[in-house]
Amino acid sequence: QVTLRESGPALVKPTQTLTLTCTFSGFSLSTSGMCVSWIRQPPGKALEWLARIDWDDDKYYSTSLKTRLTISKDTSKNQVVLTMTNMDAVDTATYYCARNLPPSSGYYGFDYWGQGTLVTVSS
Amino acid sequence: EIVLTQSPGTLSLSPGERATLSCRASQSVSSTYLAWYQQKPGQAPRLLIYGASSRATGIPDRFSGSGSGTDFTLTISRLEPEDFAVYYCQQYGSSLSITFGQGTRLEIK
Repeated sequence: QVTLRESGPALVKPTQTLTLTCTFSGFSLSTSGMCVSWIRQPPGKALEWLARIDWDDDKYYSTSLKTRLTISKDTSKNQVVLTMTNMDAVDTATYYCARNLPPSSGYYGFDYWGQGTLVTVSS
Repeated sequence: EIVLTQSPGTLSLSPGERATLSCRASQSVSSTYLAWYQQKPGQAPRLLIYGASSRATGIPDRFSGSGSGTDFTLTISRLEPEDFAVYYCQQYGSSLSITFGQGTRLEIK
């Protein structure tokens, strides 16, 4: 059974750095083809993909946010960590981690999602 | 970056009716990389369709996807009460460009 769970602060101040952790089970990020992404959703708005990390430690970032994002993994702990610097009110959103469909499937999508964590940016 | 435009913004239908949701891309998208999600209030999105027309595990066969190039469609053949939700399309393009549509809200008439 695949599960993912996000954790991190519910409130951050403007200019601070946000650190979110995704703890997962039911698969391993050391398995060839496995990838995990972060996606966010401002209240009442659409989804926005942020970053992805692959089993081989390749990393990919949203073009518009790449200067502010860092994604990393701890395979032994089954965790993926996202940091976002210089937080602003417009970054207020629910942040999700999700498992990617294995690239070997030939398709692209997110087949398992965490429940999300709401992060509010306010002084 | 490929922009996905979903229509209509809101669709009001009754249980038992057929729902047709549209997703139009600003440039051609490989069918292999087009997916649909359902999201209910307070919940994470759920993968419905991948590869434009393949149902994800556990998805009822009343959900179907079709289309190619720049025009894709999600069809729900006979609406059940639990189908009223927001639906998003998503594409994966070159240089790992991943975008979502703005969503279609399917509400009970």
